[in-house]
Amino acid sequence: DVQLVESGGGLGQPGGSLRLSCAASGFTFNNYAMSWVRQAPGKGLEWVSAISSRGGSPYYADSVKGRFTISRDDSKNTVYLQISSLRADDAAVYFCAKDSVAVPSHGEFDYWGQGTLVTVSS
Amino acid sequence: SYELAQPPSVSVSPGQTASITCSGDRLGERYVSWYQQKPGQSPVLVIYQDVKRPSGIPERFSGSSSGNTATLTISGTRAMDEADYYCQAWDSGTYVFGAGTRVTVL
Repeated sequence: DVQLVESGGGLGQPGGSLRLSCAASGFTFNNYAMSWVRQAPGKGLEWVSAISSRGGSPYYADSVKGRFTISRDDSKNTVYLQISSLRADDAAVYFCAKDSVAVPSHGEFDYWGQGTLVTVSS
Repeated sequence: SYELAQPPSVSVSPGQTASITCSGDRLGERYVSWYQQKPGQSPVLVIYQDVKRPSGIPERFSGSSSGNTATLTISGTRAMDEADYYCQAWDSGTYVFGAGTRVTVL
Protein backbone atom coordinates (compact mmCIF):
# COMPACT_ATOMS: atom_id res chain seq x y z
CA ASP A 1 0.00 0.00 0.00
CA VAL A 2 1.14 3.52 -0.77
CA GLN A 3 2.01 5.54 2.32
CA LEU A 4 3.07 9.17 2.61
CA VAL A 5 4.09 10.32 6.08
CA GLU A 6 4.82 13.99 6.68
CA SER A 7 6.83 15.39 9.56
CA GLY A 8 8.58 18.56 10.59
CA GLY A 9 5.65 20.82 11.22
CA GLY A 10 5.32 22.86 14.37
CA LEU A 11 5.63 26.38 15.65
CA GLY A 12 7.81 28.75 13.65
CA GLN A 13 8.58 32.38 14.26
CA PRO A 14 7.89 35.09 11.69
CA GLY A 15 10.98 35.36 9.53
CA GLY A 16 12.15 31.93 10.66
CA SER A 17 12.56 28.61 8.90
CA LEU A 18 11.15 25.10 8.98
CA ARG A 19 11.91 21.95 7.02
CA LEU A 20 9.11 19.56 6.24
CA SER A 21 9.73 15.95 5.24
CA CYS A 22 7.57 13.37 3.52
CA ALA A 23 8.62 9.72 3.67
CA ALA A 24 7.10 7.60 0.92
CA SER A 25 6.63 3.86 0.61
CA GLY A 26 4.66 1.34 -1.40
CA PHE A 27 5.60 2.57 -4.87
CA THR A 28 8.69 3.19 -7.01
CA PHE A 29 9.44 6.64 -5.63
CA ASN A 30 11.95 7.78 -8.24
CA ASN A 31 9.42 7.26 -11.07
CA TYR A 32 7.02 9.97 -9.93
CA ALA A 33 6.81 13.68 -9.34
CA MET A 34 5.83 14.80 -5.85
CA SER A 35 4.00 17.90 -4.63
CA TRP A 36 3.24 19.86 -1.50
CA VAL A 37 -0.26 21.26 -1.07
CA ARG A 38 -1.31 23.40 1.87
CA GLN A 39 -4.60 24.27 3.51
CA ALA A 40 -4.96 27.23 5.85
CA PRO A 41 -7.47 26.81 8.68
CA GLY A 42 -11.00 26.83 7.28
CA LYS A 43 -9.74 27.51 3.76
CA GLY A 44 -9.33 25.59 0.52
CA LEU A 45 -6.45 23.67 -1.00
CA GLU A 46 -3.48 25.60 -2.37
CA TRP A 47 -0.77 23.91 -4.43
CA VAL A 48 2.62 25.09 -3.20
CA SER A 49 5.40 23.24 -4.99
CA ALA A 50 6.26 20.19 -7.07
CA ILE A 51 9.40 18.36 -8.04
CA SER A 52 9.83 16.08 -11.02
CA SER A 53 11.18 12.57 -10.79
CA ARG A 54 14.87 11.68 -10.95
CA GLY A 55 16.42 14.95 -12.14
CA GLY A 56 14.20 16.87 -9.73
CA SER A 57 13.20 20.05 -11.59
CA PRO A 58 11.30 22.26 -9.13
CA TYR A 59 8.05 24.15 -9.63
CA TYR A 60 6.61 26.79 -7.30
CA ALA A 61 3.45 28.78 -6.77
CA ASP A 62 4.03 32.51 -7.10
CA SER A 63 3.06 32.96 -3.43
CA VAL A 64 6.11 31.01 -2.22
CA LYS A 65 8.67 31.52 -4.98
CA GLY A 66 11.99 32.66 -3.54
CA ARG A 67 11.08 31.55 0.01
CA PHE A 68 10.36 27.83 -0.33
CA THR A 69 12.71 25.16 -1.69
CA ILE A 70 11.59 21.68 -2.64
CA SER A 71 14.04 18.79 -2.91
CA ARG A 72 14.04 15.02 -2.95
CA ASP A 73 16.36 12.22 -1.88
CA ASP A 74 15.50 9.15 -3.95
CA SER A 75 17.85 7.00 -1.83
CA LYS A 76 15.61 7.73 1.17
CA ASN A 77 12.28 7.89 -0.70
CA THR A 78 11.76 11.30 0.84
CA VAL A 79 10.71 14.72 -0.41
CA TYR A 80 11.43 17.89 1.53
CA LEU A 81 10.07 21.41 1.70
CA GLN A 82 12.35 24.06 3.16
CA ILE A 83 10.30 27.04 4.30
CA SER A 84 12.19 30.28 4.87
CA SER A 85 11.15 33.82 5.77
CA LEU A 86 8.04 32.45 7.45
CA ARG A 87 4.96 34.65 7.28
CA ALA A 88 1.69 34.53 9.16
CA ASP A 89 -0.11 33.46 5.97
CA ASP A 90 2.13 30.37 5.69
CA ALA A 91 0.25 28.86 8.66
CA ALA A 92 -1.53 25.80 7.31
CA VAL A 93 -1.67 22.04 7.17
CA TYR A 94 0.89 20.96 4.59
CA PHE A 95 0.04 17.81 2.65
CA CYS A 96 2.49 15.76 0.64
CA ALA A 97 0.94 14.33 -2.52
CA LYS A 98 2.11 11.81 -5.10
CA ASP A 99 1.72 12.86 -8.71
CA SER A 100 0.53 10.30 -11.25
CA VAL A 101 3.26 11.33 -13.71
CA ALA A 102 7.03 11.73 -13.72
CA VAL A 103 7.03 15.40 -14.70
CA PRO A 104 4.42 17.80 -13.31
CA SER A 105 1.98 18.46 -16.11
CA HIS A 106 -1.53 17.27 -16.76
CA GLY A 107 -1.43 14.77 -13.94
CA GLU A 108 -3.36 14.31 -10.76
CA PHE A 109 -2.58 13.62 -7.11
CA ASP A 110 -3.47 9.99 -6.58
CA TYR A 111 -2.21 9.63 -3.00
CA TRP A 112 -2.01 12.10 -0.12
CA GLY A 113 -0.37 12.09 3.27
CA GLN A 114 -2.15 12.96 6.50
CA GLY A 115 -0.59 16.43 6.64
CA THR A 116 1.64 18.29 9.07
CA LEU A 117 0.57 21.51 10.76
CA VAL A 118 2.67 24.66 10.55
CA THR A 119 1.82 27.49 12.91
CA VAL A 120 3.49 30.89 12.84
CA SER A 121 3.75 33.00 15.95
CA SER A 122 6.28 35.02 17.88
CA SER B 1 -2.67 33.61 -13.04
CA TYR B 2 -5.09 30.87 -14.01
CA GLU B 3 -8.27 30.53 -11.96
CA LEU B 4 -10.89 27.83 -11.55
CA ALA B 5 -14.34 28.94 -10.39
CA GLN B 6 -16.61 26.69 -8.33
CA PRO B 7 -19.93 27.44 -6.59
CA PRO B 8 -19.38 27.74 -2.82
CA SER B 9 -22.14 25.32 -1.97
CA VAL B 10 -24.54 22.77 -3.38
CA SER B 11 -27.42 21.18 -1.52
CA VAL B 12 -28.99 17.88 -2.48
CA SER B 13 -31.57 15.50 -1.05
CA PRO B 14 -30.58 11.89 -0.39
CA GLY B 15 -30.96 9.78 -3.51
CA GLN B 16 -30.95 12.80 -5.82
CA THR B 17 -28.25 14.04 -8.20
CA ALA B 18 -25.68 16.67 -7.25
CA SER B 19 -23.78 18.54 -9.95
CA ILE B 20 -20.70 20.62 -9.18
CA THR B 21 -19.25 22.85 -11.87
CA CYS B 22 -15.72 24.09 -12.37
CA SER B 23 -15.07 26.86 -14.88
CA GLY B 24 -11.88 28.20 -16.36
CA ASP B 25 -10.50 29.62 -19.55
CA ARG B 26 -10.23 26.89 -22.18
CA LEU B 27 -10.67 24.31 -19.44
CA GLY B 28 -11.81 21.74 -21.98
CA GLU B 29 -8.26 21.72 -23.38
CA ARG B 30 -6.84 20.56 -20.05
CA TYR B 31 -7.35 17.49 -17.90
CA VAL B 32 -9.43 18.14 -14.79
CA SER B 33 -9.27 16.16 -11.58
CA TRP B 34 -11.71 16.20 -8.66
CA TYR B 35 -11.02 15.60 -4.97
CA GLN B 36 -13.32 14.88 -2.05
CA GLN B 37 -12.33 16.10 1.40
CA LYS B 38 -14.25 15.33 4.57
CA PRO B 39 -13.65 17.33 7.78
CA GLY B 40 -10.32 16.51 9.40
CA GLN B 41 -9.27 14.19 6.58
CA SER B 42 -6.90 14.34 3.64
CA PRO B 43 -8.29 14.86 0.14
CA VAL B 44 -9.20 11.79 -1.91
CA LEU B 45 -9.05 11.65 -5.71
CA VAL B 46 -12.50 10.80 -7.09
CA ILE B 47 -12.18 11.70 -10.79
CA TYR B 48 -9.11 12.20 -13.01
CA GLN B 49 -8.55 13.02 -16.67
CA ASP B 50 -12.02 14.57 -16.74
CA VAL B 51 -14.00 11.32 -16.69
CA LYS B 52 -11.96 8.49 -15.17
CA ARG B 53 -12.73 7.00 -11.78
CA PRO B 54 -9.92 5.56 -9.59
CA SER B 55 -10.24 2.06 -8.25
CA GLY B 56 -12.49 2.00 -5.21
CA ILE B 57 -14.49 5.10 -6.06
CA PRO B 58 -18.22 4.33 -6.36
CA GLU B 59 -19.84 4.43 -9.78
CA ARG B 60 -22.20 7.17 -8.61
CA PHE B 61 -19.31 9.60 -9.09
CA SER B 62 -18.84 10.71 -12.70
CA GLY B 63 -17.14 13.54 -14.54
CA SER B 64 -17.54 15.42 -17.78
CA SER B 65 -15.93 18.38 -19.49
CA SER B 66 -16.81 20.62 -22.39
CA GLY B 67 -15.76 24.09 -23.45
CA ASN B 68 -14.85 26.10 -20.39
CA THR B 69 -16.66 23.94 -17.83
CA ALA B 70 -16.01 20.62 -16.12
CA THR B 71 -18.71 18.96 -14.04
CA LEU B 72 -18.62 16.43 -11.22
CA THR B 73 -21.89 14.55 -10.87
CA ILE B 74 -22.92 12.48 -7.89
CA SER B 75 -25.88 10.28 -8.76
CA GLY B 76 -28.03 8.79 -6.01
CA THR B 77 -26.27 10.96 -3.43
CA ARG B 78 -25.76 9.40 -0.02
CA ALA B 79 -25.24 11.05 3.35
CA MET B 80 -21.61 9.87 3.29
CA ASP B 81 -21.01 12.04 0.20
CA GLU B 82 -21.35 15.21 2.28
CA ALA B 83 -17.95 16.85 1.91
CA ASP B 84 -15.94 19.58 0.22
CA TYR B 85 -15.09 18.97 -3.42
CA TYR B 86 -12.20 20.60 -5.29
CA CYS B 87 -11.40 20.66 -8.99
CA GLN B 88 -7.77 20.88 -10.15
CA ALA B 89 -5.97 21.50 -13.42
CA TRP B 90 -2.52 22.37 -14.74
CA ASP B 91 -1.57 25.68 -16.31
CA SER B 92 1.76 27.12 -17.36
CA GLY B 93 3.95 25.33 -14.87
CA THR B 94 1.61 25.35 -11.91
CA TYR B 95 -1.17 23.21 -10.54
CA VAL B 96 -4.35 25.12 -9.75
CA PHE B 97 -7.23 24.23 -7.43
CA GLY B 98 -10.69 25.66 -7.43
CA ALA B 99 -11.89 27.26 -4.19
CA GLY B 100 -14.01 24.25 -3.37
CA THR B 101 -17.71 23.40 -3.19
CA ARG B 102 -19.37 22.21 0.00
CA VAL B 103 -21.95 19.55 -0.75
CA THR B 104 -24.66 19.30 1.86
CA VAL B 105 -27.00 16.33 1.88
CA LEU B 106 -30.25 17.53 3.40
